[in-house]
Amino acid sequence: GAVVSQHPSWVICKSGTSVKIECRSLDFQATTMFWYRQFPKQSLMLMATSNEGSKATYEQGVEKDKFLINHASLTLSTLTVTSAHPEDSSFYICSGRKGEVRKNIQYFGAGTRLSVL
Amino acid sequence: KQEVTQIPAALSVPEGENLVLNCSFTDSAIYNLQWFRQDPGKGLTSLLLIQSSQREQTSGRLNASLDKSSGRSTLYIAASQPGDSATYLCAVEYNFNKFYFGSGTKLNVKP
Repeated sequence: GAVVSQHPSWVICKSGTSVKIECRSLDFQATTMFWYRQFPKQSLMLMATSNEGSKATYEQGVEKDKFLINHASLTLSTLTVTSAHPEDSSFYICSGRKGEVRKNIQYFGAGTRLSVL
Repeated sequence: KQEVTQIPAALSVPEGENLVLNCSFTDSAIYNLQWFRQDPGKGLTSLLLIQSSQREQTSGRLNASLDKSSGRSTLYIAASQPGDSATYLCAVEYNFNKFYFGSGTKLNVKP
């Protein structure tokens, strides 16, 4: 199976600092990676779609200057939460797409729990 | 606006029981629908993928059905086991790459 590794799994930071989350596809090339956010007892919400070598596409309501996404290679995408605030505390999950577009099999990382104090 | 709803939000059953999880969606023009399993503190595991042209998919004790016209999908779990305890998420793909997730059904199978 395809494996997506996400790091760190849990991070606590002070308000105003920046946090970087890494998402790696370990055994496949992910031309497209997705970043989701999940608040407690709520659905996963797509934040942005990133394609290798190009700018990410953000969903409506997601601040691109606050959530910086870099997809520098076919196996690595990073999400940086800049100047984090307590309301940014959430569970962030990435996924990588493998295979044909219409089949759209996405493989998910284990998620990163961000707590902003 | 596309919405995905899952009922019930939580379910507790004794081991061995057959059960059905429900998912409904507002827009029937879907590309595909996937059922995922999410364990606490872990990522999502894809269980079954049903393409828009299909009506059901089966994998082991799991069977997922899709009725686009009524905007519904069900996940049937046969002979439930304690190891099936997890949160089950339904996700619908409407446009290229865009998944809309339900809020999940938290299943507890009691030994």
